[in-house]
Amino acid sequence: DADVTQTPRNRITKTGKRIMLECSQTKGHDRMYWYRQDPGLGLRLIYYSFDVKDINKGEISDGYSVSRQAQAKFSLSLESAIPNQTALYFCATSDFSGKYETGANVLTFGAGSRLTVL
Amino acid sequence: RKEVEQDPGPFNVPEGATVAFNCTYSNSASQSFFWYRQDCRKEPKLLMSVYSSGNEDGRFTAQLNRASQYISLLIRDSKLSDSATYLCVVNRGTDSWGKLQFGAGTQVVVTP
Repeated sequence: DADVTQTPRNRITKTGKRIMLECSQTKGHDRMYWYRQDPGLGLRLIYYSFDVKDINKGEISDGYSVSRQAQAKFSLSLESAIPNQTALYFCATSDFSGKYETGANVLTFGAGSRLTVL
Repeated sequence: RKEVEQDPGPFNVPEGATVAFNCTYSNSASQSFFWYRQDCRKEPKLLMSVYSSGNEDGRFTAQLNRASQYISLLIRDSKLSDSATYLCVVNRGTDSWGKLQFGAGTQVVVTP
């Protein structure tokens, strides 16, 4: 089984629908992230969570919300989907050691959730 | 100007040849640098971290040039399986957790 599992892997929905993307991990990492990837752009951070009680907005949080239900689970919601939210969404985890020299901030990604909003 | 810029490519490389490409970053306070590999429609995976003194992992060599604010990746003896998009990732600042900024990627296509 994958260390970071995302569901659904593919989803087609209509404008205005509520969508939830789920992420679960077995790595035991405290830190979890949601990114989106668009062609020609780098991955952009939507939300991140350092532990169950810590939720933070990333650079493109408008139109999204998240829930950290447990250490291992971090879900992303689109309350009212719009076409420009069509993208590939990745969940990631990290186990930060606090030392740059040891390759801190290394992310483990899920396989991605491809969302199409019509 | 983008914080992390990469030549999108594609770099078309004959099998067995060497290919190298750079990534420039704008934040001089950046402390951590990484190369990730992403296969088509798949998730990014860490290829290697980039250390101040430069580092090598098999056929892959990464270099950091702080004065000119770029990192580089060199692939020797290219294999067909090296065909992928290579993402440059930079820690934006001095915060320990790493506000990671991703480049859009450089596509490498290794041909027989």
